[in-house]
Amino acid sequence: DAGVIQSPRHEVTEMGQEVTLRCKPISGHNSLFWYRQTMMRGLELLIYFNNNVPIDDSGMPEDRFSAKMPNASFSTLKIQPSEPRDSAVYFCASSLDPYEQYFGPGTRLTVT
Amino acid sequence: DAKTTQPTSMDCAEGRAANLPCNHSTISGNEYVYWYRQIHSQGPQYIIHGLKNNETNEMASLIITEDRKSSTLILPHATLRDTAVYYCIVKGFGNEKLTFGTGTRLTIIP
Repeated sequence: DAGVIQSPRHEVTEMGQEVTLRCKPISGHNSLFWYRQTMMRGLELLIYFNNNVPIDDSGMPEDRFSAKMPNASFSTLKIQPSEPRDSAVYFCASSLDPYEQYFGPGTRLTVT
Repeated sequence: DAKTTQPTSMDCAEGRAANLPCNHSTISGNEYVYWYRQIHSQGPQYIIHGLKNNETNEMASLIITEDRKSSTLILPHATLRDTAVYYCIVKGFGNEKLTFGTGTRLTIIP
């Protein structure tokens, strides 16, 4: 298996623009997680899905952030409108509940 | 989930065993100890987990004290590629959420 796939790997955008991050989990996994990592706040869980259903979105910073999982093999994290403070590395991870999580390579987002 | 305490940083000579401690004095009976690591610019990587017995896999060994209030991750023959931030995480089985602290930055010295 190719592991968790994230795209794009790097994204540079201007403040106010919409940003969409994409994730393909490992085939057969039934849980998917979105994390954000910054120097100031470390690695934070934003939201996670189980069997395509959002279970806990308490980490989503505000209404500008939204996440969807339309099927078992695809998820998106959208930021609209983006702000400079959203600059971070965003990781997607998947697992076969309740076992260990496998992380993707991350998307480095820079908002200018 | 129980809180964990780890040293901020450690050094280890290449080829020697790296022993990374973790305190989790408030761990409850159904909580597991998980270890992940993050090599620079990569996503975190699962290493090992355990409940109360010592565990070993191809990457590392996990030693949990009898009272379960602390544990040690052992990398038996450290290589330069083991330089990373190591996270000790306590979570209940079936609880999907991982809460990452600041971890231990391990540097392997040639």
